[in-house]
Amino acid sequence: SAVISQKPSRDICQRGTSLTIQCQVDSQVTMMFWYRQQPGQSLTLIATANQGSEATYESGFVIDKFPISRPNLTFSTLTVSNMSPEDSSIYLCSVGDLIRAEQYFGPGTRLTVT
Amino acid sequence: SQQGEEDPQALSIQEGENATMNCSYKTSINNLQWYRQNSGRGLVHLILIRSNEREKHSGRLRVTLDTSKKSSSLLITASRAADTASYFCATDEGYSTLTFGKGTMLLVSP
Repeated sequence: SAVISQKPSRDICQRGTSLTIQCQVDSQVTMMFWYRQQPGQSLTLIATANQGSEATYESGFVIDKFPISRPNLTFSTLTVSNMSPEDSSIYLCSVGDLIRAEQYFGPGTRLTVT
Repeated sequence: SQQGEEDPQALSIQEGENATMNCSYKTSINNLQWYRQNSGRGLVHLILIRSNEREKHSGRLRVTLDTSKKSSSLLITASRAADTASYFCATDEGYSTLTFGKGTMLLVSP
């Protein structure tokens, strides 16, 4: 399975600011995704990060709030913009294995907004 | 929106006992995947079962899938304290994106 790293692992941010989370994979992957896990909750898909084109967002998530970049097949960023305390969550990137259909997750970024 | 619903929400057992967690979902799926999460950290992929499979094994894990009932179960045999974690099922409806259930918190006491 792919080895996935995320930076930062955690951060505490002031409301109104923005944070960019990086996701790096040790091999080229076609599918990359961003999920959010609010405190005590399950995971919710934010968007699919498409290489060379705009990300595909799920209902309830918009590009202005969660801009995503995917410059190549091993790297993606998610920005959480104009943060509020409700954005306090764990943000996880994942990659999909097209052949085996399995999806693997990074270690997550724990964000606290004060 | 969440598709899977795990049952029970929380499970407390003794080491050596078996733990069974159930997952129900609502729509047709390509596959169903089970994950483990320790203390709010990253998810560890446990096992994938495809829609045309009924049972899969991996070590102490056994997963079943009943597409007629739209349900799956995860059995952990001879549990250990290290198995203490939250367990999630996630369904792939064919678009490669996953829809997660609410999870089962498993506590295994020594």
